[in-house]
Amino acid sequence: GAVVSQHPSWVICKSGTSVKIECRSLDFQATTMFWYRQFPKQSLMLMATSNEGSKATYEQGVEKDKFLINHASLTLSTLTVTSAHPEDSSFYICSAARPGQPQHFGDGTRLSIL
Amino acid sequence: AQTVTQSQPEMSVQEAETVTLSCTYDTSESNYYLFWYKQPPSRQMILVIRQEAYKQQNATENRFSVNFQKAAKSFSLKISDSQLGDTAMYFCAFMQPTGANSKLTFGKGITLSVRP
Repeated sequence: GAVVSQHPSWVICKSGTSVKIECRSLDFQATTMFWYRQFPKQSLMLMATSNEGSKATYEQGVEKDKFLINHASLTLSTLTVTSAHPEDSSFYICSAARPGQPQHFGDGTRLSIL
Repeated sequence: AQTVTQSQPEMSVQEAETVTLSCTYDTSESNYYLFWYKQPPSRQMILVIRQEAYKQQNATENRFSVNFQKAAKSFSLKISDSQLGDTAMYFCAFMQPTGANSKLTFGKGITLSVRP
């Protein structure tokens, strides 16, 4: 089946630093990648949708200057949390998809800001 | 806009028994997909089963089957012969496959516990 790799799986960093999370589709070309945020025992909240070679589309209420998304190729998208603060601590999940096909998810990144 | 409702926050089932997780949705579209995803404690999102709206036959995957009632906009998941490894959060999701950006709309999820 389709494999999506997300790295790192867990990161702890100091307040004010920037953190980059990578999402790679290993065995298929993903025209679209999605970034989600999830709080404990809650559903996935879509943050943004990115298409290869174009600017990401952010959901309402998501700060695009805070959460920078780059989708440079059909197999790689990155999410950078800039100047991270404790309230940015959360579980971030990416997914990758081709048109009309189910999304395949990465294993998620647990981000802890001290 | 589409909405997905999972009204039961938690359920519990005895090992080897059968359990049904309910899901309803609202849409004005006729062509769409429905999914059930499983998220175990490891937090990995695993696709359990999918259903195309144009197919009348209910999808099945081994111990997992759905009861898709298009007119009622209902999409329940039945897990037969429950196993301890089925303990997880389960999310019902809707997707309208138009264009390149096929977003998923998730329900709030249900926490299923399988008792030994």
